[in-house]
Amino acid sequence: ETGVTQSPTHLIKTRGQQVTLRCSSQSGHNTVSWYQQALGQGPQFIFQYYREEENGRGNFPPRFSGLQFPNYSSELNVNALELDDSALYLCASSLAGRYAYNEQFFGPGTRLTVL
Amino acid sequence: GESVGLHLPTLSVQEGDNSIINCAYSNSASDYFIWYKQESGKGPQFIIDIRSNMDKRQGQRVTVLLNKTVKHLSLQIAATQPGDSAVYFCAAEAAGNKLTFGGGTRVLVKP
Repeated sequence: ETGVTQSPTHLIKTRGQQVTLRCSSQSGHNTVSWYQQALGQGPQFIFQYYREEENGRGNFPPRFSGLQFPNYSSELNVNALELDDSALYLCASSLAGRYAYNEQFFGPGTRLTVL
Repeated sequence: GESVGLHLPTLSVQEGDNSIINCAYSNSASDYFIWYKQESGKGPQFIIDIRSNMDKRQGQRVTVLLNKTVKHLSLQIAATQPGDSAVYFCAAEAAGNKLTFGGGTRVLVKP
């Protein structure tokens, strides 16, 4: 176990709705990254937060947004859900500087289904 | 931009044999590479990493080889066991903790 938890485990929403996914990082980890993993594909980087500020973003529209809190928890929010948003959403925490790399510890993911 | 790809979508291997999984990357600026194992219903699990100033690194039953000239890396698993059955991803990082993953190779271990 990595010590990274995510909730909920599974979620079903309808197109146009909004969703909030939650992640609890390992204690002391100052960096959290979110990834989207479509079925049968590798994870795709959504964005990263370092010390509660966004520190890089992948090729995802603004309706994907996030927050990181001082207690090592974070959220991924997705507005105006589309069918293609159906995927496994992974968060990964690490103890890293803004430009350094350290091992990322992944949570088990939240499986989102959009109908 | 960065893209990372895997050559074989599925690898079937006999228990006890060695497994080799290959991966190509496109961004020559990538300086850090990681192999992950993902089992069904779980998040990716770190296996081994290698930095661009190295060409080989060994762990317990695993070896990663990096060829920067042709932008290729491989994961070798010695004496493959049933517990090694999973999907394996390579990932590359070029700047600051943001990973680009390949599409994954499924390893099936036959008894």
